Amino acid sequence: DAGITQSPRHKVTETGTPVTLRCHQTENHRYMYWYRQDPGHGLRLIHYSYGVKDTDKGEVSDGYSVSRSKTEDFLLTLESATSSQTSVYFCAISVEASGGLARNEQFFGPGTRLTVL
Amino acid sequence: GENVEQHPSTLSVQEGDSAVIKCTYSDSASNYFPWYKQELGKGPQLIIDIRSNVGEKKDQRIAVTLNKTAKHFSLHITETQPEDSAVYFCAAPNNAGNMLTFGGGTRLMVKP
Repeated sequence: DAGITQSPRHKVTETGTPVTLRCHQTENHRYMYWYRQDPGHGLRLIHYSYGVKDTDKGEVSDGYSVSRSKTEDFLLTLESATSSQTSVYFCAISVEASGGLARNEQFFGPGTRLTVL
Repeated sequence: GENVEQHPSTLSVQEGDSAVIKCTYSDSASNYFPWYKQELGKGPQLIIDIRSNVGEKKDQRIAVTLNKTAKHFSLHITETQPEDSAVYFCAAPNNAGNMLTFGGGTRLMVKP
């Protein structure tokens, strides 16, 4: 499991409330990713990080922000949750190759099921 | 950016039969093609991958083939077993290799 944990594993919240999901890794990997998984859409990248304080947008970043203040934690925040953000959220890491680039292989955490009422 | 399409979306086979899932990609520069298996309630798990310098790779009952000219790659599972039932995803990287684009997934059901 590449030492990845996600918390909480399940959350139910109301529209308009802020929500923060946490991804924690124990192996000091530089690259971390947040995906959402919805039926018929596979996995879509929200944001990713290539180091402490270094983040960038993915395919579906609107309505989400991220922070990475230390190597082991990558936080995903929904500033004001909407029903369209009901989904399963996965964190992933990528091992760093020589030269500092990410290796292609990604390893996933167990996921967080978020329901926005 | 990369665009990955996966077919079929669902596949039902009898135990012992073979299953084939196919993906096409758009970026001819892509050089790495992984396959993930996701069981119910769990995160996707990397099961096999192939790089563009080979056309086929096998690992016991699973194999992946790659046709770079046609820009498609396939997952082959032989002698399917009920524990192969899961959702399978293919993926391809962007040019920098730091992001993966995933196909829509295939739900494989192996009937005993």
